[in-house]
Amino acid sequence: SQQGEEDPQALSIQEGENATMNCSYKTSINNLQWYRQNSGRGLVHLILIRSNEREKHSGRLRVTLDTSKKSSSLLITASRAADTASYFCATDESGNTGKLIFGQGTTLQVKP
Amino acid sequence: GAGVSQSPRYKVAKRGQDVALRCDPISGHVSLFWYQQALGQGPEFLTYFQNEAQLDKSGLPSDRFFAERPEGSVSTLKIQRTQQEDSAVYLCASSLRDRGYYGYTFGSGTRLTVV
Repeated sequence: SQQGEEDPQALSIQEGENATMNCSYKTSINNLQWYRQNSGRGLVHLILIRSNEREKHSGRLRVTLDTSKKSSSLLITASRAADTASYFCATDESGNTGKLIFGQGTTLQVKP
Repeated sequence: GAGVSQSPRYKVAKRGQDVALRCDPISGHVSLFWYQQALGQGPEFLTYFQNEAQLDKSGLPSDRFFAERPEGSVSTLKIQRTQQEDSAVYLCASSLRDRGYYGYTFGSGTRLTVV
């Protein structure tokens, strides 16, 4: 079973605009990770935020985590056509072996 | 190798056939995971190895699914008597530590189609 939900399911924007994706989860976590998946390919790790962190940046990516609301958001600034992909959040639940529980994903299309 | 390698890339199996999917993790990576990803869905956990020990197999959907990692490196996921509902992409992921504190490296997956 999957941990939570991602919102929106699909997002279409113009190149240069910002894209925001949200993720909700259900249980306490050690960390939350975001992955990108291009069509027909494996997942690429983007960023990891620990449960005691509230915000993290990596290049054009900004991730926030609100453990009281059990939610996270991924912001991609100044989007490019190459950012077109599916984006998944995944949680490493407290007390588990380190397995990741993935959301359903957000499909992002960036139009040139 | 530089990344996680999975083979075959594509597999078409007739219903009832047995299949074996291979994962070559990054050399030295302790943790290895298998996930199943149905079309349009997020990956779902199948099983986890720490070196050669299978520490969690709670995600295996039935006793037709079996995974091994006998020498703590290469892993094989075997599916016996394949059914149409087994059609999915099977992803392998590995990490250096016993937990993915820095994220996991995924292979490109094996797309299994059962006809």
